[in-house]
Amino acid sequence: AQKVTQAQTEISVVEKEDVTLDCVYETRDTTYYLFWYKQPPSGELVFLIRRNSFDEQNEISGRYSWNFQKSTSSFNFTITASQVVDSAVYFCALLFGNEKLTFGTGTRLTIIP
Amino acid sequence: GAVVSQHPSRVICKSGTSVKIECRSLDFQATTMFWYRQFPKQSLMLMATSNEGSKATYEQGVEKDKFLINHASLTLSTLTVTSAHPEDSSFYICSAYTLLSEAFFGQGTRLTVV
Repeated sequence: AQKVTQAQTEISVVEKEDVTLDCVYETRDTTYYLFWYKQPPSGELVFLIRRNSFDEQNEISGRYSWNFQKSTSSFNFTITASQVVDSAVYFCALLFGNEKLTFGTGTRLTIIP
Repeated sequence: GAVVSQHPSRVICKSGTSVKIECRSLDFQATTMFWYRQFPKQSLMLMATSNEGSKATYEQGVEKDKFLINHASLTLSTLTVTSAHPEDSSFYICSAYTLLSEAFFGQGTRLTVV
């Protein structure tokens, strides 16, 4: 069975601080994909990143970076120099084959000006 | 990147009426689309898998006669909430995968049944 755990329900940080959102997943499969999505108050899900299980390279995109570690089944997301516009709910998700996405419960991030 | 368009973004309907929500993949073909439901401050729960040219596959506990899904073409899936009731008020969102297994989502539809 697939499972995604986002233990942090809510996080608040002051603007310009760095913040890391944790994601731990469970799967018996060797081939899978991991995703991060941002859901701002307007509701739409914004695709941030997809990572396949064979690519453990960390990725940086502007202020965003992702740390994928298969040894600990984690795919953590860090926002550097946070901004108020980063306030949203962030979901981590797992995809096996072409089956449905399994979502974590989300982390509500609030950036305090 | 690939775009999934969902319409309408918001709808208010009277109890007992039906509402149709459209989900289109704009620049790629999607043989499979997925419909999710999200209650306030909760995660997304998969309702059903929409398969082009065949019947949808519903998750346990989802009434197939209430949530009618039609996937008539490779770029369009529709979800019809039949005889809507206030408890059906929710945020509905669709998704589709590209051939590279990138999952993109529509903008979502906020349904309010009064």
